[in-house]
Amino acid sequence: EPEVTQTPSHQVTQMGQEVILRCVPISNHLYFYWYRQILGQKVEFLVSFYNNEISEKSEIFDDQFSVERPDGSNFTLKIRSTKLEDSAMYFCASSYGQALTEAFFGQGTRLTVV
Amino acid sequence: ILNVEQSPQSLHVQEGDSTNFTCSFPSSNFYALHWYRWETAKSPEALFVMTLNGDEKKKGRISATLNTKEGYSYLYIKGSQPEDSATYLCASPTSGTYKYIFGTGTRLKVLA
Repeated sequence: EPEVTQTPSHQVTQMGQEVILRCVPISNHLYFYWYRQILGQKVEFLVSFYNNEISEKSEIFDDQFSVERPDGSNFTLKIRSTKLEDSAMYFCASSYGQALTEAFFGQGTRLTVV
Repeated sequence: ILNVEQSPQSLHVQEGDSTNFTCSFPSSNFYALHWYRWETAKSPEALFVMTLNGDEKKKGRISATLNTKEGYSYLYIKGSQPEDSATYLCASPTSGTYKYIFGTGTRLKVLA
């Protein structure tokens, strides 16, 4: 069964460093998302991506964040200068259609900023 | 601002018991409601996408109903098994957008 894969599963980084989280969405999906869950809190929407551009972003997704689909298969989230409060589990998801079709999630990347 | 709430936060049931939990959401500008099952160390798995008032969906022993007028959805598990132990999340995208708002989840533990 097709699945969304994320790498790495765990990343530890120093505050102020740049990190890139990688995702391979399901191949025929058209909509791509990043979410995060800070420990003990709700899953929060970060950004959605369609047709090679950001279609929506939350207030969390500031200038420190960027997304890219560089080669038609990978979907990446870059955090330019990490802060302690960026520590969270980051989930990538993809879907074929919009909100009326199910989204498929990856297993997440646990980012720890020290 | 859309707020999605779930109750209870956690639940312990005995194997064979049936159980249900609730997701509530603002009824105005409703678009869709998604249910996910999230087992520890795995990715959230889609269970249902519900769109119409009165929708009822079923997958094996799990079913869900939707009331968009009063803003709630119930998830039912009949004859709970230990493998049903997971966190059950609901999420609703704000109307016409891709932005899913998630509830806090209900953590279900089924005791053998």
